[in-house]
Amino acid sequence: EIVLTQSPGTLSLSPGERATLSCRASQSVTSNYLVWYQQRPGQAPRLLIYDASNRATGIPDRFSGSGSGTDFTLTISRLEPEDFAVYFCQQYGSSPRTFGGGTKVEIK
Amino acid sequence: QVQLVQSGAEVKKPGASVKVSCKTSGYTFRSYGISWVRQALGQGLEWMGWISTSNGNTNYAQNLQGRVTMTTDTSTGTAYMELRSLRSDDTAVYYCARTGASAYSYGHYWGQGTLVTVSS
Repeated sequence: EIVLTQSPGTLSLSPGERATLSCRASQSVTSNYLVWYQQRPGQAPRLLIYDASNRATGIPDRFSGSGSGTDFTLTISRLEPEDFAVYFCQQYGSSPRTFGGGTKVEIK
Repeated sequence: QVQLVQSGAEVKKPGASVKVSCKTSGYTFRSYGISWVRQALGQGLEWMGWISTSNGNTNYAQNLQGRVTMTTDTSTGTAYMELRSLRSDDTAVYYCARTGASAYSYGHYWGQGTLVTVSS
């Protein structure tokens, strides 16, 4: 199975700063079938990015995804108060569909 | 609008079974698949499996094979996930999510989650 390793585990930043989150796969992700989710406390995950770089409907353009093969990045250009949450990547090109362990973006 | 509404919280004893429902609305049920994902409290997300609503094909996580069954009722637009021989480490919030029709798809719309507690 593909193991996804997210780093850092926690990112401490201030509103307005740029956040860069990494998701590294143990082997190449088929067709770059990778998504990013945001999860706020007590809520279900929310789809942000699909196919590594496509924003889901209604997602602000401060969120962007990039990468291919084994290295993927989620960038939040300017953090808004509502962006402080946990972010997960998931690959859906191979079975089982695995998730990364998550990156918590917290207020510094 | 697309909605997935899950059944309420459950408390089960070890060895018992639980069946969680996911009632959908706002779209054509048989045009999209359903995935199930669980999350132990304070932990990460674990993919449990996927079911095609058009033909009932399933793809289960290896570690749950033999204990999990995913089904659908196309007449009501409802998906079900049954987990048997429950253990304490099955305590988690269980989510359903609407995916694309293909097995190679991701959860776009999610249910609100169902807390299943396994305790003697």
